[in-house]
Parts: sequence; C-alpha cells; structure tokens
Amino acid sequence: DTEVTQTPKHLVMGMTNKKSLKCEQHMGHRAMYWYKQKAKKPPELMFVYSYEKLSINESVPSRFSPECPNSSLLNLHLHALQPEDSALYLCASSPPAGAAEQFFGPGTRLTVL
Amino acid sequence: AQSVTQLGSHVSVSEGALVLLRCNYSSSVPPYLFWYVQYPNQGLQLLLKYTTGATLVKGINGFEAEFKKSETSFHLTKPSAHMSDAAEYFCAVTDNYGGSQGNLIFGKGTKLSVKP
Repeated sequence: DTEVTQTPKHLVMGMTNKKSLKCEQHMGHRAMYWYKQKAKKPPELMFVYSYEKLSINESVPSRFSPECPNSSLLNLHLHALQPEDSALYLCASSPPAGAAEQFFGPGTRLTVL
Repeated sequence: AQSVTQLGSHVSVSEGALVLLRCNYSSSVPPYLFWYVQYPNQGLQLLLKYTTGATLVKGINGFEAEFKKSETSFHLTKPSAHMSDAAEYFCAVTDNYGGSQGNLIFGKGTKLSVKP
C-alpha cells in the first residue's frame, strides 16, 4: 500500500460548525504533515508530526487543531472557521530521513460559508 | 533561509515540442531537490528527486532534470510534450539535513499548457 488517503473529498461547513478531516497511511512513515493550498498557490505547511508528536506548528490559528492518534492516522479538527479558510487541505507522509520525498494524499476541498 | 524560484508562472508548448520548466534555488549547502506535478483538484505526485550522485535524474512520464550546482538550478525537461502533461508543476527543496525529515520549501509553481 503506497498511498495516502484523505476523507472526505469535499466538505462544506458553516462558520459555527465543528468538523474533522482524516488522513491515513499504511507505509510505515513516521512523519505526517498538513498543508493548506489556495488556488494557484503552492501548498503552505501547517503542521508536522514526527513519531506521533507535534514538531512544527507554523503559527496556525487555534481554530485548526491537529491530532495524531497513532502512527497511521492524522486528523485535523476544524471549529469556527472563516470563509478565508476555504482551500484544498493536503495531507502528506514521509519516512524520517532528510532525502525522503513526501507522499501526498488527494486532498479535501473545504468550503466555509 | 532556503528559497526556490520558478521562472515563468505559465508555460505553453505545442504537443510534441520540448518542455522546459525552470527552477533555481538558494542554499548554502547542497540541497535535496524535488519536482512535483499536480493535476486539477488532486494532490501532488512526485516526478523525480535529486539527493546525491548522478546529476541527471530521470523520473516518471519521460521527465528528467539536471542538477547544476554552479548555476544553482534544477530545470525540468521532457523531449516531447503530450496533452496529458498539462498540469501545475512545483519545484521544491528540503530545508533540513542530517537524517531528520526535511520540510519542503516550494516554488510558486508553473502551469504547463499543451496545445494540440
């Protein structure tokens, strides 16, 4: 299994809703990432988990809350989002080695109304 | 700090023509370099990467790239464009070395269009 899966593919939510994005990989990777990608822009790093511990938080607002329950799963909990948070949210994973590439999931297209 | 510059936000070629997408990086140490492709509404897929060794790297779908240290470049080429190559291409460099995972620094991307 050499893929990263993400659910749901699409999500529409109101500003008062609470929702979660899910990411899963079974490649034995111990680093997992959340990115936010706006249209016609490169992905922006949000969070990095290394060995299930949060190692990087790129000054992301607290309305985004990551969670890594085990080495295969990564969640992103969403609460009280703003319309400007609408974007493609990408998950990635990689082995813990500097030369290793990141494997990306297909993304969740999020629309905040 | 590391940075990546992709010259040309949009490149248009005819089917069968040479594809050349430019990438320059700034780094005080030899970097690890990557090219990713993104089709509409999809995630990123690795085309190829350079870590050490041979400076001409071959990737998937007929793409290749050459690491030129003296020019701090890692340009992506394909001899003959196909309609299916139309996509967004990102050059990236890692910002960490020595065994721990690196975080990708992306260029702004180049959109490749292929005309029939």
